[in-house]
Amino acid sequence: GENVEQHPSTLSVQEGDSAVIKCTYSDSASNYFPWYKQELGKGPQLIIDIRSNVGEKKDQRIAVTLNKTAKHFSLHITETQPEDSAVYFCAAGGGFKTIFGAGTRLFVKA
Amino acid sequence: GAGVSQSPSNKVTEKGKDVELRCDPISGHTALYWYRQRLGQGLEFLIYFQGNSAPDKSGLPSDRFSAERTGESVSTLTIQRTQQEDSAVYLCASSLALGVAGRKLFFGSGTQLSVL
Repeated sequence: GENVEQHPSTLSVQEGDSAVIKCTYSDSASNYFPWYKQELGKGPQLIIDIRSNVGEKKDQRIAVTLNKTAKHFSLHITETQPEDSAVYFCAAGGGFKTIFGAGTRLFVKA
Repeated sequence: GAGVSQSPSNKVTEKGKDVELRCDPISGHTALYWYRQRLGQGLEFLIYFQGNSAPDKSGLPSDRFSAERTGESVSTLTIQRTQQEDSAVYLCASSLALGVAGRKLFFGSGTQLSVL
């Protein structure tokens, strides 16, 4: 089955700096790669997603890249703000099953 | 409702007791998922429903875990003879399950289960 590895597990950046989170997946049949943000005491919320026929997608300060050959995908957050502090999960899906990475706890220091 | 609703939000039980967790998905969402999140860890897939059938039960940890869904609405996750290692947040999510747009999961806030 699918396995998703995510790193780093913790990331601390200064406000205004960029943050990058990287993931790898194992199942070449996966064709959908969402990213979720989880704030304390809440369920994860989708922030951006990318399909396998696209290499890059951007939404304001957030961008995702996908390298299908290497089975790598990454989340880039630019101009980080304190409210970006949360746990971020990458995931990989094919069909209706979505498998999540272990999460990255992002701290943005003011 | 406006979002996925889970109840109770917190449940404390004694080892060996049975517990039942409830999930109300977004109206019109045909797919429903249960995930388990241990403290500080990622989301562990448990089970998925399409309508009221469960084509994928591969993630259920043991036969003490079961889930059912009535039509395309409420789902209950039951854990029998709870053990301390069952302590976790149990998250429910729903999706449209139609094409790529259906892949977007909408999560509830979870049920925090503590087994003493």
